Amino acid sequence: AQSVAQPEDQVNVAEGNPLTVKCTYSVSGNPYLFWYVQYPNRGLQFLLKYITGDNLVKGSYGFEAEFNKSQTSFHLKKPSALVSDSALYFCAVRDSGAGSYQLTFGKGTKLSVIP
Amino acid sequence: DSGVTQTPKHLITATGQRVTLRCSPRSGDLSVYWYQQSLDQGLQFLIQYYNGEERAKGNILERFSAQQFPDLHSELNLSSLELGDSALYFCASSARAQSNTGELFFGEGSRLTVL
Repeated sequence: AQSVAQPEDQVNVAEGNPLTVKCTYSVSGNPYLFWYVQYPNRGLQFLLKYITGDNLVKGSYGFEAEFNKSQTSFHLKKPSALVSDSALYFCAVRDSGAGSYQLTFGKGTKLSVIP
Repeated sequence: DSGVTQTPKHLITATGQRVTLRCSPRSGDLSVYWYQQSLDQGLQFLIQYYNGEERAKGNILERFSAQQFPDLHSELNLSSLELGDSALYFCASSARAQSNTGELFFGEGSRLTVL
């Protein structure tokens, strides 16, 4: 079985400061990892993914994420937060060797960037 | 705009009723996924179809059913509705069944309220 944990329900950060949204995962085989963002009353938008290769993945809107296999983590980061980054962020995982194809999502972390 | 279209955007109905949610995937995408988002359960995978055939089943209740038609649009049928079925229902699509390196593209959801 595959699972994702986002240990923080909410993260508050001042505008211009770096931000980190945490994610840990559990899969039997190798993970495919994703970050999505959801703005109010909108669907989920893809930010970035890790499939293989470089552990530091760069995505949309200046976001990046670092894959750490030993810690089974895939934390989302941004060097300088914007007020417009305030949204709900979801981490998702899929086991590359599993027969099923759906993504398993964490419960989400609400990011609030304070002006 | 993800290219995934969901209708209706909002739906209010009574307990015991039946509703149908519709999803049109991105042009060319063969896979359709249904997810349920509620405050207490987060994003729950319901079911996946690929080119008209069911490919994976998640936490979908027996009162719920889905299908994918030859033109690749999908419908999610919810019957004998209960108050607890109130949620945001998302459809997502991807190009291939396995989509092993690909992300999902989400519609903006159908918000169901059961009174």
